[in-house]
Amino acid sequence: EAGVAQSPRYKIIEKRQSVAFWCNPISGHATLYWYQQILGQGPKLLIQFQNNGVVDDSQLPKDRFSAERLKGVDSTLKIQPAKLEDSAVYLCASSRTGWGHNEQFFGPGTRLTVL
Amino acid sequence: GENVEQHPSTLSVQEGDSAVIKCTYSDSASNYFPWYKQELGKGPQLIIDIRSNVGEKKDQRIAVTLNKTAKHFSLHITETQPEDSAVYFCAAPAEGNQFYFGTGTSLTVIP
Repeated sequence: EAGVAQSPRYKIIEKRQSVAFWCNPISGHATLYWYQQILGQGPKLLIQFQNNGVVDDSQLPKDRFSAERLKGVDSTLKIQPAKLEDSAVYLCASSRTGWGHNEQFFGPGTRLTVL
Repeated sequence: GENVEQHPSTLSVQEGDSAVIKCTYSDSASNYFPWYKQELGKGPQLIIDIRSNVGEKKDQRIAVTLNKTAKHFSLHITETQPEDSAVYFCAAPAEGNQFYFGTGTSLTVIP
């Protein structure tokens, strides 16, 4: 089966600019996650979707970050305006369901550099 | 929430030797513990996981042990090979299917 797709792979912007990332999960996976991975750290969950509904966005900086999964498939994560500390790899993952504990399949990530 | 600590942060071993990475967690209700391998420029990939009803699980050269009383679990890689060089993350669950990840261990296998 095809894996989780993300684009772009790399993005360089200046602070205060906006940026958007796109994720296409594995077909049939109901649950989609966005993680932020700062260099040298483990992934940190930003938001979790179950189909097109938000399950948890408690760690999403809502003053500047937003995410949507309108049709329950693809998802976009937006940062507006970006800060220097947003430089990180943004990982998208999906799993078959959000209940119990199921393997999460990760995409390759988008490396964001904010100058 | 869950607090996951992982040690060591870096590990170098000679090819053929064993490598052990340890993690501790704080939430006694946690019952599922995956290990992920992340190669440069790629997303993490699940390599092995263990549920709390067993104390050990093995898959070829990789094994995971779990001590629920002490709230720690370990990854064991035997007969290491250069292709095992990567960053390894442990994780422990929060509600639903969310995970808290450790800070990672950078493993280097020296040929």
